[in-house]
Amino acid sequence: TQLLEQSPQFLSIQEGENLTVYCNSSSVFSSLQWYRQEPGEGPVLLVTVVTGGEVKKLKRLTFQFGDARKDSSLHITAAQPGDTGLYLCAGDPRRNTGNQFYFGTGTSLTVIP
Amino acid sequence: SAVISQKPSRDICQRGTSLTIQCQVDSQVTMMFWYRQQPGQSLTLIATANQGSEATYESGFVIDKFPISRPNLTFSTLTVSNMSPEDSSIYLCSVVRVWETNYGYTFGSGTRLTVV
Repeated sequence: TQLLEQSPQFLSIQEGENLTVYCNSSSVFSSLQWYRQEPGEGPVLLVTVVTGGEVKKLKRLTFQFGDARKDSSLHITAAQPGDTGLYLCAGDPRRNTGNQFYFGTGTSLTVIP
Repeated sequence: SAVISQKPSRDICQRGTSLTIQCQVDSQVTMMFWYRQQPGQSLTLIATANQGSEATYESGFVIDKFPISRPNLTFSTLTVSNMSPEDSSIYLCSVVRVWETNYGYTFGSGTRLTVV
């Protein structure tokens, strides 16, 4: 089992605030994915980071992969109520798209209007 | 990205009965994954289903309790057998997809199971 610990577990913020979610492991991953899940739906892939140190942006969301490929962060600027959901990171232990991915412990975000 | 149709979306079942969950993918895939999730929590892999071979189960999950069928490359079922209230959970199927600069899972919308 390759554990991915996310922090914080719960986050409740006001609209317009910034926040960062962390995903940490002692294992090295060939890539790391971030998902957002809304109630009653399956998780939806936001981004995949592959290269150590890589930074990807998706509108107000910025994703970074650690240099050692053991950790990642998700930063949201000027959060909006539509950002509310469960955020999950997932690591791919090998560069093979047929593999199982290992999911993080999850971060539940609530953005209050 | 792939579209996965999962049904039922929710069900309330009596203990001791069984429920079969179906997932239909809009294209052929080698592997399908079945997950369980408590609301608001992370995902736990139940098993990996390959077409033409027995499913591979994770520790803590057994075939007698969670039999899986994979009759072709676009379809799979998961049965939750002899249910107890502890089986109340969200069940999700997924496949791996590659598109543009990303790759990861596409999930079905989930089956919310309540056992009473």
